[in-house]
Amino acid sequence: SAVISQKPSRDICQRGTSLTIQCQVDSQVTMMFWYRQQPGQSLTLIATANQGSEATYESGFVIDKFPISRPNLTFSTLTVSNMSPEDSSIYLCSGETSGGLTDTQYFGPGTRLTVL
Amino acid sequence: AQSVSQHNHHVILSEAASLELGCNYSYGGTVNLFWYVQYPGQHLQLLLKYFSGDPLVKGIKGFEAEFIKSKFSFNLRKPSVQWSDTAEYFCAVNARRGSTLGRLYFGRGTQLTVWP
Repeated sequence: SAVISQKPSRDICQRGTSLTIQCQVDSQVTMMFWYRQQPGQSLTLIATANQGSEATYESGFVIDKFPISRPNLTFSTLTVSNMSPEDSSIYLCSGETSGGLTDTQYFGPGTRLTVL
Repeated sequence: AQSVSQHNHHVILSEAASLELGCNYSYGGTVNLFWYVQYPGQHLQLLLKYFSGDPLVKGIKGFEAEFIKSKFSFNLRKPSVQWSDTAEYFCAVNARRGSTLGRLYFGRGTQLTVWP
C-alpha cells in the first residue's frame, strides 16, 4: 500500500486568488491522480499527474485552471487558479501502486477548500 | 463511458443488523472492482478489492463483497454492523482493456448510519 499526505488540510480563500495543494507519497507509485469531491457527490477525476510529462486532464478540466506538477515519483502539486465560490470542494490526491492489471489507488486525506 | 450506480444514498441500521449495499456498473468487459470507506473526519480507505478468482472477496473489519458478473454487480455485505461502521462507502470500477487499465470510476457513495 501507499501512505499519502496532503498540505494544507483546509483553507479559506478569497475569490480571484490561487491555492497550491501539495501531495506527498511515502513510496514510489506509478501514477498520481487528483480528484474533486463535492458535498453529496461522487469523486470526480480532475487529471492524471505524470512524472516527466504534462498531466492528462479529464473533460471539463483545463490546465490553465488546474495546473499540475509532478517533479518526481513521490510528489505532486495541484493549483486551483483564479478561484470562485464554485471551486469550494474537497480536493483529493491518490497514488497508484503498480501491479500491472491489479493496480490499486490509495488516497490522501484531502484538502477542504472554501472560497469566499 | 462507464458508470457506477449505488442505489442506496443513505442507509440507517441498528447495531447487529445485517448490511447489504448495492453497486452496479455498466461496462461489459473485464473489470477490477473496489469498495472504499470514508469514516467521519478521515480519509478514503480501501475496504476490499476484486481482480479475479473467487467472486466472494473478504476485506477488513468483517466486510465482504460478491461479484456477480451476469448482474454487473459487486454488493458489499456485513452480517452484523457496529456503531463504528458509520461511514460513507464508495464503490469503484475500472476496466481492463487488453494489457492496460482504464481510469477508475466511482459511485456517488452510500452514507451508512448505525445506531447503538
